[in-house]
Amino acid sequence: GAVVSQHPSRVICKSGTSVKIECRSLDFQATTMFWYRQFPKQSLMLMATSNEGSKATYEQGVEKDKFLINHASLTLSTLTVTSAHPEDSSFYICSPYNGGTEAFFGQGTRLTVV
Amino acid sequence: GQQLNQSPQSMFIQEGEDVSMNCTSSSIFNTWLWYKQDPGEGPVLLIALYKAGELTSNGRLTAQFGITRKDSFLNISASIPSDVGIYFCAGRRETSGSRLTFGEGTQLTVNP
Repeated sequence: GAVVSQHPSRVICKSGTSVKIECRSLDFQATTMFWYRQFPKQSLMLMATSNEGSKATYEQGVEKDKFLINHASLTLSTLTVTSAHPEDSSFYICSPYNGGTEAFFGQGTRLTVV
Repeated sequence: GQQLNQSPQSMFIQEGEDVSMNCTSSSIFNTWLWYKQDPGEGPVLLIALYKAGELTSNGRLTAQFGITRKDSFLNISASIPSDVGIYFCAGRRETSGSRLTFGEGTQLTVNP
């Protein structure tokens, strides 16, 4: 399967600060990047979809000014949680996609806002 | 929201037993994917299915793409303790492009 690297795996930040999460596709070029959020004991919820070089498309209810997505290259996308609050604490997962039939995911980032 | 009904939500079994879980939908899918997620990790692809009726195995795992294209099941034979985790089905609908729809997950517990 494809190799996806997501970093950091865990981060604790203070309320009001911003956190950046990186997602890299190491052995393929991702024309599309999906960002998911997962609450405990729940399934993955799609937050946004981005295509390389374009603005991201956000799902209903997801604030684009809070969750900034950059997909400047075919191998790297970043999600920045701005002015984080405790309710933003969650597990964030990226999924780079190259148009194939399968889908692969990063290792996830556990964000805790204190 | 989720449009895939996955069942059961949880299973508690003894080591060595077989396990079966399934996903159903009112929509037609052209791809079914089954994943396992360990705590604190991202989902890992187990099996991918592309054609109605397709039956595919990966070691002790077997999955099938339903004939109606609206359902899929995953079987695990002779379970072992490391099978513990959450199993998700995911599918691509004909009308949704590259976007995946996920099931709610099945939490599997295997008692030694």
